[in-house]
Amino acid sequence: SQQGEEDPQALSIQEGENATMNCSYKTSINNLQWYRQNSGRGLVHLILIRSNEREKHSGRLRVTLDTSKKSSSLLITASRAADTASYFCATDVVAQKLVFGQGTRLTINP
Amino acid sequence: EPEVTQTPSHQVTQMGQEVILRCVPISNHLYFYWYRQILGQKVEFLVSFYNNEISEKSEIFDDQFSVERPDGSNFTLKIRSTKLEDSAMYFCASRGTVNEQFFGPGTRLTVL
Repeated sequence: SQQGEEDPQALSIQEGENATMNCSYKTSINNLQWYRQNSGRGLVHLILIRSNEREKHSGRLRVTLDTSKKSSSLLITASRAADTASYFCATDVVAQKLVFGQGTRLTINP
Repeated sequence: EPEVTQTPSHQVTQMGQEVILRCVPISNHLYFYWYRQILGQKVEFLVSFYNNEISEKSEIFDDQFSVERPDGSNFTLKIRSTKLEDSAMYFCASRGTVNEQFFGPGTRLTVL
């Protein structure tokens, strides 16, 4: 697998439900960042979790990091239609570049 | 809230022409980046820039590409002779002393 692979590739849920996206990576990292991208638009930074952290919260977002399994998850609670977007994890191996995954396309159905 | 801006939002050019994509990073940031995203694909790192020089570049960033910080605010990406496969969304990003990279809205480059 490539550095920063998300699964599932696509996720469709009902408004109000929780959405969980996973990310796996291969090498040691300094930190892992999650971004959101609305269709054809720019990347919005959501949250950063450092390699020595296991869990982090920001509003309705919860991110976990398991460095032993080289994986991370992003949980969005109480989803809203406005959460419809693609979500990418990006690993920061050295502080010079981010390596992005293919992303998860999240659709929230009203 | 400060943000990264990019111009133009959409650039159409003929194959073989030179293009310059412009970015204004967040004012107190010191590290600058260019990434690209071909339609339907993942975001790919092109180059990082710090202290007026390239810190790291990817295999994509060949001799046709160059970056410059011509003044205290702008950060540009030049493609000397565009190819069809250069068509993509190009994102500029910047970061300060913390590790979050903040991205601009992107420039969609279409090479005909």
